[in-house]
Amino acid sequence: DIQMTQSPSSLSASVGDRVTITCRASQSISTYLNWYQQKPGKVPKLLIYGASSLQSGVPSRFSGSGSGTDFTLTITSLQPEDFATYYCQQTYSVPLTFGGGTKVEIK
Amino acid sequence: EVQLVESGGGLVQPGGSLRLSCAASGFMFSSHWMSWVRQAPGKGLEWVASIKQDGSEKYYVDSVKGRFTISRDNARDSLYLQMNSLRAEDTAVYYCARVFFYGDSISNWNYDLWGRGTLVTVSS
Repeated sequence: DIQMTQSPSSLSASVGDRVTITCRASQSISTYLNWYQQKPGKVPKLLIYGASSLQSGVPSRFSGSGSGTDFTLTITSLQPEDFATYYCQQTYSVPLTFGGGTKVEIK
Repeated sequence: EVQLVESGGGLVQPGGSLRLSCAASGFMFSSHWMSWVRQAPGKGLEWVASIKQDGSEKYYVDSVKGRFTISRDNARDSLYLQMNSLRAEDTAVYYCARVFFYGDSISNWNYDLWGRGTLVTVSS
C-alpha cells in the first residue's frame, strides 16, 4: 500500500501569508496526485489534480507542484475563506489513499 | 442540477447490517466509475470502495473486504453500499463520489463531485 504523509498536520497563519503544505508518497506515484479542501461540516472540494492542474473555478492563488514522491500545495496569499483542512490523494494504485490532512488555522 | 444524494445511514448495533444508497442526477451516471469514501468523526478521509461503469470491476480497502459490497443500478442512476458485520470502527460519514478521468491513463482521475454524506453510527 502507498502511504501518503502530509506535513505539517496543522499550521497557524495570517491573512495574506504564503502557505506551503507538503505531501510525501511512500513510493513513486508520478503525478497521480490530487489535492482537496474541506471546510468544517462541508464536503471535500477538488482544488488540484494531476499534481499541478488547477480545477476549474478554483482561485489562482492555489498551486500545486511535484512528481515522484514529493508534492506541495501552495497558497500564495491566504484569504479568510481558505481556513480549512487540506488533503492529498494518490490515484496511482489501489488501495487509494489520502494523506492525514493539514489543518490551516487563523493566527 | 448535477448532484449526488446519499441516504440509508443511521444507528446500528455491532454485527448488524445497513445498506447505503446514492442517487445521482444531472449527469450520465452510467458513464462514470463511482466510489464510496468515509470519514470517521474528527478524522481524515478514507477510500472504501470503487466500481466500474458497468459493475464488472470492484475494489475495496482491506478493512471492509468480505463485509461490504458495492453495487450500482444504472437504470435507476443509483449507487449502493451493502455493509454487513458492522464494527464500531466503521462509524463515519459515508460519501458517494464521482470519478472524473482527465487523461488517457487509468490513473489520471479525481473525485470532482461529492454527495453531502450520510452518517453511520455503530454502537450498542
